[in-house]
Amino acid sequence: RKEVEQDPGPFNVPEGATVAFNCTYSNSASQSFFWYRQDCRKEPKLLMSVYSSGNEDGRFTAQLNRASQYISLLIRDSKLSDSATYLCVVKGPNNAGNMLTFGGGTRLMVKP
Amino acid sequence: NAGVTQTPKFRVLKTGQSMTLLCAQDMNHEYMYWYRQDPGMGLRLIHYSVGEGTTAKGEVPDGYNVSRLKKQNFLLGLESAAPSQTSVYFCASSYPQGGSGTQYFGPGTRLTVL
Repeated sequence: RKEVEQDPGPFNVPEGATVAFNCTYSNSASQSFFWYRQDCRKEPKLLMSVYSSGNEDGRFTAQLNRASQYISLLIRDSKLSDSATYLCVVKGPNNAGNMLTFGGGTRLMVKP
Repeated sequence: NAGVTQTPKFRVLKTGQSMTLLCAQDMNHEYMYWYRQDPGMGLRLIHYSVGEGTTAKGEVPDGYNVSRLKKQNFLLGLESAAPSQTSVYFCASSYPQGGSGTQYFGPGTRLTVL
């Protein structure tokens, strides 16, 4: 079983739609959680951190359920520019090297 | 600031050839990482370094060697390239803060081994 699992998609949605991505992680001792965004043939970039209480950044909302070991990302009012691959990322405990474990990514395509 | 840069951007090798990928960062970060990204596999950590002169193995270190002689540079070497090493290689760097998930990535090197 992969440490971080995501539905690879693609999710094809029209502009203005709301779309949600999910992610599960296997290590219950994981400490920190993040969503990264990766555009086609580009490098990954941090989109947002995920906090236990849930957090918003504009049209993006992230949620964490530690009991179910489940992370989600909700995008409201999708824009064409949101088309990208979204990577679920987990940081484990006792991590001297600040190492991250990446999911395989969920591809989003927003259509006009 | 250039951030994280990688050299070269593209390379084609024949099986058995060797090469070195160079990563440089100008953010004075302590930690640096080498990943490979393959379709359906996500990013996998090859080697990492927590400071000048130190390196450690990641998830998939076999067939690769690294060196961190200067804080700003992290080199990834392939001594005898194999077709299984065809991939996109990303370098990243970060501060050592405990809670931070921010790793800054370079633009990647696309390597094909024939």
